[in-house]
Amino acid sequence: EAGVAQSPRYKIIEKRQSVAFWCNPISGHATLYWYQQILGQGPKLLIQFQNNGVVDDSQLPKDRFSAERLKGVDSTLKIQPAKLEDSAVYLCASSRNEKLFFGSGTQLSVL
Amino acid sequence: EDQVTQSPEALRLQEGESSSLNCSYTVSGLRGLFWYRQDPGKGPEFLFTLYSAGEEKEKERLKATLTKKESFLHITAPKPEDSATYLCAVKGGSSNTGKLIFGQGTTLQVKP
Repeated sequence: EAGVAQSPRYKIIEKRQSVAFWCNPISGHATLYWYQQILGQGPKLLIQFQNNGVVDDSQLPKDRFSAERLKGVDSTLKIQPAKLEDSAVYLCASSRNEKLFFGSGTQLSVL
Repeated sequence: EDQVTQSPEALRLQEGESSSLNCSYTVSGLRGLFWYRQDPGKGPEFLFTLYSAGEEKEKERLKATLTKKESFLHITAPKPEDSATYLCAVKGGSSNTGKLIFGQGTTLQVKP
């Protein structure tokens, strides 16, 4: 069974630039999550999709972050404009039942 | 507000030296407590789910236990390959989406 795929693996940008991350979940997993993990902290949920509908985006900074999941499969997360405090690893996960399967993440550095 | 606190932040053990990691939580209506392992540069990997006080789960050298206020991850006779960050997370009843709230993790280093 193929895992959760994410790209790019690393991204370095300057503040105020924009950036996008891509996620392909495990086939058949209806629920998709984007988490932000700042160095030394646990992952924090940004947004949760059920198929292509949003079920929780309460912690998404909507003035600069946006996410979509077209056709209920792949998803993209965008930051525009980026701030220094957005430097983190962005993890995508998908789930079947209670178990979450995570991708390896995209490490973002904002200079 | 649901909260998870893990201790210690870091733990160094000699190979074969057993120990325990702690996860204290406050949640309204626990719907599950989860343990994940995270290796450097990778996403968390699922280990266990516990649902009710008194429940225990085991996998190789790891055993997870749950009380009404905390969970322990016991590591028996650890090996260097057990070195990783161990994350605890809870799913509470206050959220109708069942999102996970993670602790900050315990970074374990096992020296040969």
